[in-house]
Amino acid sequence: EPEVTQTPSHQVTQMGQEVILRCVPISNHLYFYWYRQILGQKVEFLVSFYNNEISEKSEIFDDQFSVERPDGSNFTLKIRSTKLEDSAMYFCASSDYSAPFFGPGTRLTVL
Amino acid sequence: DAKTTQPTSMDCAEGRAANLPCNHSTISGNEYVYWYRQIHSQGPQYIIHGLKNNETNEMASLIITEDRKSSTLILPHATLRDTAVYYCIVRQYNNNDMRFGAGTRLTVKP
Repeated sequence: EPEVTQTPSHQVTQMGQEVILRCVPISNHLYFYWYRQILGQKVEFLVSFYNNEISEKSEIFDDQFSVERPDGSNFTLKIRSTKLEDSAMYFCASSDYSAPFFGPGTRLTVL
Repeated sequence: DAKTTQPTSMDCAEGRAANLPCNHSTISGNEYVYWYRQIHSQGPQYIIHGLKNNETNEMASLIITEDRKSSTLILPHATLRDTAVYYCIVRQYNNNDMRFGAGTRLTVKP
């Protein structure tokens, strides 16, 4: 069964550094998403992406965040200058016209 | 924010049916009801969705009331591996985001 994959599974970085989280969505899907979950809190929507552009973003997705689909298979989330409060699980998801399917997540730890 | 109300937690005995309720009294005509679950810190797992008819798949059944203001997710024979947080979400069919609330923490006990 096709699935969303994410790399790395765990990323440790220093405050102020840039990180890129990578996702390979399900191959025939058209919509791509990033979510995050701070430890003990709910899953929060960050951004959705369709037709090579952002279709919706939340108030969390500020100028330090960016997304890109650099080729036909990868979908990335870049955090330009990480802060301690960016420590969280980051989930990628993809969908056709229905329910999004989620990847296993990347645990980001900012020291 | 999420437009649903769910109990914070529920327990269920292993082998029995787990019935998870959800209220969505402000649902509009073109909005679907989706159910996901999250086991520990894994990615949310899609379970089922529906518009107005009852739905069943290999994982669960979804019962939606006639007025569509509430629904129930049924796990027919709960196992210990069904222990998870279950999320009921209302959204338009191809809307661009899925907004999660706090969900119901289901604990299946031996």
